[in-house]
Amino acid sequence: GNSVTQMEGPVTLSEEAFLTINCTYTATGYPSLFWYVQYPGEGLQLLLKATKADDKGSNKGFEATYRKETTSFHLEKGSVQVSDSAVYFCALSSNYQLIWGAGTKLIIKP
Amino acid sequence: ETGVTQTPRHLVMGMTNKKSLKCEQHLGHNAMYWYKQSAKKPLELMFVYSLEERVENNSVPSRFSPECPNSSHLFLHLHTLQPEDSALYLCASSQGYSGPSSYNEQFFGPGTRLTVL
Repeated sequence: GNSVTQMEGPVTLSEEAFLTINCTYTATGYPSLFWYVQYPGEGLQLLLKATKADDKGSNKGFEATYRKETTSFHLEKGSVQVSDSAVYFCALSSNYQLIWGAGTKLIIKP
Repeated sequence: ETGVTQTPRHLVMGMTNKKSLKCEQHLGHNAMYWYKQSAKKPLELMFVYSLEERVENNSVPSRFSPECPNSSHLFLHLHTLQPEDSALYLCASSQGYSGPSSYNEQFFGPGTRLTVL
């Protein structure tokens, strides 16, 4: 069946460091891929998405490229800020549903 | 109010209590969802409503009972819960439910933090 695997956290970085959060997936067909972010005390927000192979989603300095050959959708940011501290979820669309990863907590220290 | 709102934000209940969670969306969407978020586990989709009809029930215990009286409101009625039901319950809505091979972006509420004693 379809599944999403993302790196366990927490990931702790210093401000202005480079960020990578790994996400790999297993899916039949051609799903869309998503990154959602959950800030403390809030619900999930769509951060970026990609709908086909080689698409790059980007938002707020974050990027992720849909790599079909490696079945990956890694999240990257060149220079993180304290305000990026949150839980990040990778997900894929399967029929009308989203299949979720377990989430990766990101902690940015000043 | 804008977006998706949920009340209460926090709820503590005993195993014999009956309570309800409320979700309201102000986005004009036609589909609404209940999710359960437990620590270090993927989000679990519980129920999906499209145009006020339930279209998915993912093997959820009967002690959870959803109700969708109109396209803007969604309830989750709780009774005789177990301590393992303690979690963050998230509501979401989307523009529509288009069936297989389609996905509509979901907008989430802040959740209700439920503790069952």
